[in-house]
Amino acid sequence: EVQLVESGGGLVKPGGSLRLSCAASGFTFSSHNMNWVRHVPGKGLEWVASISGTSGYINYADSVKGRFTISRDNAKHSLSLQMNSLRTEDTAVYYCARDQVPFLESKYNWFDPWGQGTLVTVSS
Amino acid sequence: QSVLTQPPSVSGAPGQRVTISCTGSSSNIGAGYDVHWYQQLPGTAPKLLIFANLNRPSGVPDRFSGSKSGTSASLAITGLQTEDEADYYCQSYDSSLSGWVFGGGTKLTVL
Repeated sequence: EVQLVESGGGLVKPGGSLRLSCAASGFTFSSHNMNWVRHVPGKGLEWVASISGTSGYINYADSVKGRFTISRDNAKHSLSLQMNSLRTEDTAVYYCARDQVPFLESKYNWFDPWGQGTLVTVSS
Repeated sequence: QSVLTQPPSVSGAPGQRVTISCTGSSSNIGAGYDVHWYQQLPGTAPKLLIFANLNRPSGVPDRFSGSKSGTSASLAITGLQTEDEADYYCQSYDSSLSGWVFGGGTKLTVL
């Protein structure tokens, strides 16, 4: 069974840092691009970052560029999101999501499955 | 304000048909990028409902269908059931932003 399990969320003060992790299982992790998407309470979904299977292509939403860093460890089947200089507007449930089709460029792909999410709260 | 525009809410009685629109622009849907739809039941993660405009993953009932034309796409749900109450999101790629964009989400209420 394909499974994604996020961890690392919590309460952090503005300006602080947090590192999210996503443990993947049930598929050939290195063959798939991976993504982070967040859901602000009461609002919609927002794509945060994407990384290709080899880590050769990385892309960020403008709202997090320069503050967040996406990375992956294919040997450990793990995806990470290092979040620095956190702001109150970064408060959200963060999901990791897999590009469904292996080796297909992300812009032509779609997200399936998604993890259960981890809540990040930025507040003083 | 989301790059893709969806109605905030739609509603229908059990057994009826509803549609949810998703309007984009020439840099996303109009540029030929596919539209995907996700269903988010209360308190759960989004789930893929329609991919590449009109395709259903295995396990998704054929009551759900998708279409795309020009700079817009639509999700249709026929034979509404109470378990269809959820938030629905459209997604596409935007070449101007060089990233993924989502609609603001549509809350479906089954009366």
